[in-house]
Amino acid sequence: GAVVSQHPSWVICKSGTSVKIECRSLDFQATTMFWYRQFPKQSLMLMATSNEGSKATYEQGVEKDKFLINHASLTLSTLTVTSAHPEDSSFYICSAGPLGGGNYEQYFGPGTRLTVT
Amino acid sequence: AQSVTQPDIHITVSEGASLELRCNYSYGATPYLFWYVQSPGQGLQLLLKYFSGDTLVQGIKGFEAEFKRSQSSFNLRKPSVHWSDAAEYFCAVSGGSNYKLTFGKGTLLTVNP
Repeated sequence: GAVVSQHPSWVICKSGTSVKIECRSLDFQATTMFWYRQFPKQSLMLMATSNEGSKATYEQGVEKDKFLINHASLTLSTLTVTSAHPEDSSFYICSAGPLGGGNYEQYFGPGTRLTVT
Repeated sequence: AQSVTQPDIHITVSEGASLELRCNYSYGATPYLFWYVQSPGQGLQLLLKYFSGDTLVQGIKGFEAEFKRSQSSFNLRKPSVHWSDAAEYFCAVSGGSNYKLTFGKGTLLTVNP
Protein backbone atom coordinates (compact mmCIF):
# COMPACT_ATOMS: atom_id res chain seq x y z
CA GLY A 1 0.00 0.00 0.00
CA ALA A 2 0.81 3.74 -0.01
CA VAL A 3 2.05 3.97 -3.57
CA VAL A 4 2.85 7.27 -5.25
CA SER A 5 3.33 7.60 -8.98
CA GLN A 6 4.79 10.36 -11.10
CA HIS A 7 4.29 11.10 -14.75
CA PRO A 8 6.26 11.45 -16.88
CA SER A 9 9.35 9.65 -15.62
CA TRP A 10 11.49 11.75 -17.90
CA VAL A 11 10.89 14.67 -20.19
CA ILE A 12 12.95 16.77 -22.57
CA CYS A 13 11.69 20.21 -23.49
CA LYS A 14 12.96 23.25 -25.28
CA SER A 15 13.95 26.40 -23.49
CA GLY A 16 10.99 28.73 -23.03
CA THR A 17 8.32 26.07 -23.00
CA SER A 18 6.32 24.81 -20.01
CA VAL A 19 6.27 21.32 -18.61
CA LYS A 20 3.72 19.72 -16.28
CA ILE A 21 4.60 16.90 -13.91
CA GLU A 22 1.89 14.87 -12.19
CA CYS A 23 2.07 13.24 -8.78
CA ARG A 24 -0.63 10.77 -7.82
CA SER A 25 -1.32 8.82 -4.66
CA LEU A 26 -2.69 5.55 -6.02
CA ASP A 27 -4.18 3.86 -2.99
CA PHE A 28 -4.65 6.57 -0.40
CA GLN A 29 -5.85 10.12 -0.10
CA ALA A 30 -3.24 12.77 0.48
CA THR A 31 -4.21 16.14 1.87
CA THR A 32 -0.55 17.11 1.78
CA MET A 33 2.00 16.52 -0.93
CA PHE A 34 5.53 17.80 -1.22
CA TRP A 35 7.73 18.67 -4.18
CA TYR A 36 11.50 18.29 -4.06
CA ARG A 37 14.26 19.06 -6.50
CA GLN A 38 17.53 17.20 -6.68
CA PHE A 39 20.50 18.39 -8.72
CA PRO A 40 23.16 15.84 -9.73
CA LYS A 41 25.20 14.57 -6.82
CA GLN A 42 23.25 16.70 -4.38
CA SER A 43 20.59 16.14 -1.78
CA LEU A 44 16.86 16.69 -2.05
CA MET A 45 15.71 20.22 -1.48
CA LEU A 46 12.10 20.90 -0.57
CA MET A 47 10.51 23.29 -3.05
CA ALA A 48 6.97 23.54 -1.77
CA THR A 49 4.25 22.00 0.32
CA SER A 50 1.02 21.38 -1.52
CA ASN A 51 -2.24 21.23 0.43
CA GLU A 52 -5.42 20.02 -1.21
CA GLY A 53 -7.78 22.85 -1.97
CA SER A 54 -5.45 25.65 -0.96
CA LYS A 55 -2.42 27.51 -2.22
CA ALA A 56 0.94 25.87 -2.02
CA THR A 57 3.53 27.04 0.46
CA TYR A 58 6.87 27.68 -1.19
CA GLU A 59 10.27 27.46 0.44
CA GLN A 60 12.46 30.50 0.53
CA GLY A 61 14.15 31.14 -2.78
CA VAL A 62 11.70 29.14 -4.89
CA GLU A 63 9.92 31.25 -7.51
CA LYS A 64 6.18 30.83 -7.15
CA ASP A 65 5.45 32.11 -10.65
CA LYS A 66 7.92 29.76 -12.22
CA PHE A 67 6.95 26.60 -10.37
CA LEU A 68 3.18 26.44 -10.35
CA ILE A 69 1.68 23.86 -8.03
CA ASN A 70 -1.91 22.72 -8.09
CA HIS A 71 -3.44 20.21 -5.67
CA ALA A 72 -6.99 20.05 -6.90
CA SER A 73 -7.89 16.63 -5.54
CA LEU A 74 -6.88 14.33 -2.71
CA THR A 75 -4.95 12.10 -5.09
CA LEU A 76 -3.32 14.49 -7.54
CA SER A 77 -0.83 17.32 -7.34
CA THR A 78 0.82 18.88 -10.37
CA LEU A 79 3.99 20.89 -10.77
CA THR A 80 4.27 23.09 -13.84
CA VAL A 81 7.66 24.49 -14.72
CA THR A 82 6.89 27.60 -16.73
CA SER A 83 9.24 29.12 -19.28
CA ALA A 84 11.78 26.43 -18.56
CA HIS A 85 15.49 27.16 -18.94
CA PRO A 86 18.48 24.82 -18.94
CA GLU A 87 19.18 25.64 -15.29
CA ASP A 88 15.79 24.10 -14.42
CA SER A 89 17.09 20.73 -15.59
CA SER A 90 16.90 18.52 -12.54
CA PHE A 91 15.31 15.49 -10.91
CA TYR A 92 11.92 16.39 -9.45
CA ILE A 93 10.47 14.11 -6.77
CA CYS A 94 7.11 14.31 -5.08
CA SER A 95 5.93 12.75 -1.86
CA ALA A 96 2.61 12.35 -0.13
CA GLY A 97 1.72 11.94 3.51
CA PRO A 98 1.87 11.40 6.33
CA LEU A 99 -1.17 9.20 6.71
CA GLY A 100 -1.72 10.03 10.36
CA GLY A 101 -2.65 7.68 13.13
CA GLY A 102 0.94 7.61 14.35
CA ASN A 103 2.41 7.14 10.88
CA TYR A 104 4.67 10.08 10.07
CA GLU A 105 6.18 8.68 6.91
CA GLN A 106 6.04 10.37 3.53
CA TYR A 107 5.69 8.16 0.49
CA PHE A 108 7.85 9.10 -2.46
CA GLY A 109 7.21 8.93 -6.15
CA PRO A 110 9.90 7.54 -8.46
CA GLY A 111 10.88 10.99 -9.70
CA THR A 112 10.80 12.87 -12.99
CA ARG A 113 13.98 13.79 -14.80
CA LEU A 114 13.60 17.08 -16.64
CA THR A 115 16.10 18.12 -19.30
CA VAL A 116 15.73 21.56 -20.84
CA THR A 117 17.60 22.07 -24.11
CA ALA B 1 14.63 25.22 12.19
CA GLN B 2 15.39 21.57 11.75
CA SER B 3 18.61 20.37 10.15
CA VAL B 4 20.55 17.19 9.47
CA THR B 5 24.29 16.72 9.26
CA GLN B 6 25.92 13.76 7.61
CA PRO B 7 29.62 14.33 8.29
CA ASP B 8 30.92 11.80 5.79
CA ILE B 9 30.52 12.72 2.14
CA HIS B 10 32.06 9.49 0.86
CA ILE B 11 32.85 6.20 2.56
CA THR B 12 34.60 3.20 1.05
CA VAL B 13 34.39 -0.22 2.65
CA SER B 14 35.32 -3.71 1.59
CA GLU B 15 32.63 -6.23 0.91
CA GLY B 16 31.86 -8.16 4.08
CA ALA B 17 33.08 -5.38 6.35
CA SER B 18 30.85 -3.62 8.83
CA LEU B 19 29.41 -0.20 8.11
CA GLU B 20 28.33 2.78 10.14
CA LEU B 21 27.00 5.96 8.55
CA ARG B 22 26.71 8.94 10.83
CA CYS B 23 23.77 11.27 11.14
CA ASN B 24 23.22 14.15 13.56
CA TYR B 25 20.03 16.15 13.66
CA SER B 26 18.82 19.38 15.13
CA TYR B 27 15.19 19.68 16.09
CA GLY B 28 13.51 21.27 19.08
CA ALA B 29 10.91 18.61 19.77
CA THR B 30 10.67 14.87 19.37
CA PRO B 31 12.08 14.11 15.94
CA TYR B 32 10.84 11.63 13.44
CA LEU B 33 13.90 10.17 11.77
CA PHE B 34 14.45 8.33 8.53
CA TRP B 35 17.19 6.72 6.46
CA TYR B 36 16.78 6.45 2.68
CA VAL B 37 18.92 4.88 0.00
CA GLN B 38 19.16 6.06 -3.58
CA SER B 39 20.84 4.27 -6.45
CA PRO B 40 22.06 6.35 -9.42
CA GLY B 41 19.20 7.73 -11.46
CA GLN B 42 16.63 6.18 -9.17
CA GLY B 43 14.15 7.37 -6.60
CA LEU B 44 14.36 7.01 -2.84
CA GLN B 45 13.87 3.80 -0.94
CA LEU B 46 13.07 3.90 2.76
CA LEU B 47 15.47 1.76 4.79
CA LEU B 48 14.06 2.42 8.25
CA LYS B 49 12.31 4.98 10.41
CA TYR B 50 12.05 6.00 14.03
CA PHE B 51 8.96 7.56 15.57
CA SER B 52 9.05 6.46 19.21
CA GLY B 53 9.68 3.49 21.46
CA ASP B 54 12.65 1.17 21.13
CA THR B 55 15.63 3.29 20.14
CA LEU B 56 17.20 0.51 18.07
CA VAL B 57 15.23 0.08 14.89
CA GLN B 58 15.56 -2.62 12.31
CA GLY B 59 15.11 -1.95 8.64
CA ILE B 60 15.26 -3.67 5.32
CA LYS B 61 18.34 -5.24 3.75
CA GLY B 62 19.88 -5.98 7.14
CA PHE B 63 20.26 -2.34 8.18
CA GLU B 64 19.63 -1.00 11.66
CA ALA B 65 19.87 2.41 13.29
CA GLU B 66 20.05 3.62 16.85
CA PHE B 67 18.41 6.81 18.08
CA LYS B 68 20.46 8.54 20.76
CA ARG B 69 18.68 11.59 22.06
CA SER B 70 21.61 12.71 24.23
CA GLN B 71 23.85 12.83 21.17
CA SER B 72 21.18 13.96 18.70
CA SER B 73 22.27 11.11 16.50
CA PHE B 74 20.66 8.43 14.39
CA ASN B 75 23.51 6.38 12.96
CA LEU B 76 22.93 3.66 10.40
CA ARG B 77 24.72 0.34 10.71
CA LYS B 78 25.10 -2.92 8.87
CA PRO B 79 27.25 -5.80 10.12
CA SER B 80 28.35 -7.07 6.70
CA VAL B 81 28.17 -4.96 3.56
CA HIS B 82 27.30 -6.44 0.19
CA TRP B 83 28.43 -5.03 -3.16
CA SER B 84 24.79 -4.20 -3.93
CA ASP B 85 24.74 -1.76 -1.00
CA ALA B 86 26.80 0.72 -2.98
CA ALA B 87 24.57 3.79 -3.28
CA GLU B 88 23.86 7.21 -1.80
CA TYR B 89 22.40 7.25 1.70
CA PHE B 90 20.32 10.09 3.08
CA CYS B 91 19.31 10.75 6.65
CA ALA B 92 16.22 12.90 7.16
CA VAL B 93 14.28 14.48 10.01
CA SER B 94 10.61 15.36 10.01
CA GLY B 95 8.62 17.66 12.20
CA GLY B 96 6.37 20.67 12.39
CA SER B 97 2.73 21.00 11.54
CA ASN B 98 3.14 19.61 8.03
CA TYR B 99 5.85 17.10 8.91
CA LYS B 100 8.24 18.59 6.38
CA LEU B 101 11.28 16.43 5.70
CA THR B 102 14.75 17.91 5.87
CA PHE B 103 17.50 15.83 4.31
CA GLY B 104 21.17 15.63 5.02
CA LYS B 105 23.60 16.09 2.16
CA GLY B 106 24.04 12.37 1.81
CA THR B 107 26.86 9.85 2.12
CA LEU B 108 28.07 8.03 -0.95
CA LEU B 109 28.99 4.44 -0.17
CA THR B 110 31.48 2.61 -2.34
CA VAL B 111 32.00 -1.11 -1.79
CA ASN B 112 35.28 -2.70 -2.85
CA PRO B 113 35.31 -6.37 -3.84
